[in-house]
Amino acid sequence: NAGVTQTPKFRILKIGQSMTLQCTQDMNHNYMYWYRQDPGMGLKLIYYSVGAGITDKGEVPNGYNVSRSTTEDFPLRLELAAPSQTSVYFCASSSPGQGLIYEQYFGPGTRLTVT
Amino acid sequence: GNSVTQMEGPVTLSEEAFLTINCTYTATGYPSLFWYVQYPGEGLQLLLKATKADDKGSNKGFEATYRKETTSFHLEKGSVQVSDSAVYFCALSKAAGNKLTFGGGTRVLVKP
Repeated sequence: NAGVTQTPKFRILKIGQSMTLQCTQDMNHNYMYWYRQDPGMGLKLIYYSVGAGITDKGEVPNGYNVSRSTTEDFPLRLELAAPSQTSVYFCASSSPGQGLIYEQYFGPGTRLTVT
Repeated sequence: GNSVTQMEGPVTLSEEAFLTINCTYTATGYPSLFWYVQYPGEGLQLLLKATKADDKGSNKGFEATYRKETTSFHLEKGSVQVSDSAVYFCALSKAAGNKLTFGGGTRVLVKP
């Protein structure tokens, strides 16, 4: 049981390039999330999904796109990378449990630098 | 909207000292409250949680009590170890889809 896996671990992009951050979970969770963590800051939600084929914007969606064609995968696409997108990106998943406690499980993160 | 405020770090302590990290929140109704921990180079891990007023979450010697009257969820540990050095995040969940709202994080450094 690998949990939530993310690839790549590190990436350097030039301004204007595009890339896809991969996220896969093997816990059969319905909900998946993408967060970004800027230096010294908390995490901000970029996009989330409550199931295959359903996605919605979070707090900071501009410059990103997502898709959810399967329960397991939730890739994050950066188009036209900008220096403001330099950050650490975390993918997470959760599934409704008992009561209202929805623990989120996080991947190890992808450190992205745009220069 | 929802928000979480926690004390800024870094907090530097000696081993076996008492640790408190303050966390207050703004939200309507009764959100679920969480503390997550991030060890160096790793992703976040759930440390403890509480879902209703006066609930006490506990794990690994850490405790936090959900105080509705003061909208707080302060994290405490009676005797810290070097291995507790990490960044601690307070968070709440209220909206549909279980989206988390995080505080800014507090870095804790425990020296031997």
